[in-house]
Amino acid sequence: DTGVSQDPRHKITKRGQNVTFRCDPISEHNRLYWYRQTLGQGPEFLTYFQNEAQLEKSRLLSDRFSAERPKGSFSTLEIQRTEQGDSAMYLCASSAGTQNSPLHFGNGTRLTVT
Amino acid sequence: GESVGLHLPTLSVQEGDNSIINCAYSNSASDYFIWYKQESGKGPQFIIDIRSNMDKRQGQRVTVLLNKTVKHLSLQIAATQPGDSAVYFCAENPKEYGNKLVFGAGTILRVKS
Repeated sequence: DTGVSQDPRHKITKRGQNVTFRCDPISEHNRLYWYRQTLGQGPEFLTYFQNEAQLEKSRLLSDRFSAERPKGSFSTLEIQRTEQGDSAMYLCASSAGTQNSPLHFGNGTRLTVT
Repeated sequence: GESVGLHLPTLSVQEGDNSIINCAYSNSASDYFIWYKQESGKGPQFIIDIRSNMDKRQGQRVTVLLNKTVKHLSLQIAATQPGDSAVYFCAENPKEYGNKLVFGAGTILRVKS
């Protein structure tokens, strides 16, 4: 499978714990995006990378959230001191980076904070 | 602003009929639009895209229509099949937002056999 891969698929954690998710984009794609989706809503933009550079962060991304893409390939999203409001599906997408190229999404990581 | 909805409209169609899913986008500066299909437990799957210099684009069994005057986008699915049942999202790329997509609220498509 050469699509976007995310790990884990599901994560249940207790409030206050830290969690980290991983995303492996399509190999030739240089742009990588993180989105968050809650039930009944469309995905909301969190942040994106061009190669290893993080170029934009949404105001939704509080200081408890950090994303990295150290070598311009896979990316990690860490949430520190999780809160119940962090419960959501975290989606990763990648694109070729040319003007108006579509985003291709992974199947997400479902986070439940108890 | 960004388009985020709380309630998903539902479209129910009979298998074999054509489906039309509508989307009102928010930003007149958007120059690129995409339709995604999302099945339960999966991420959004790319269906078809269209640039603002076009008003119609066809794919396999799908057609996207763009009306920039009224900021309206539609997805037509021909001969709808049970496998088409999913939530459908339109997404826009406003120029001033850089390279990110802004998603609409989504429409549930239910195909009756």
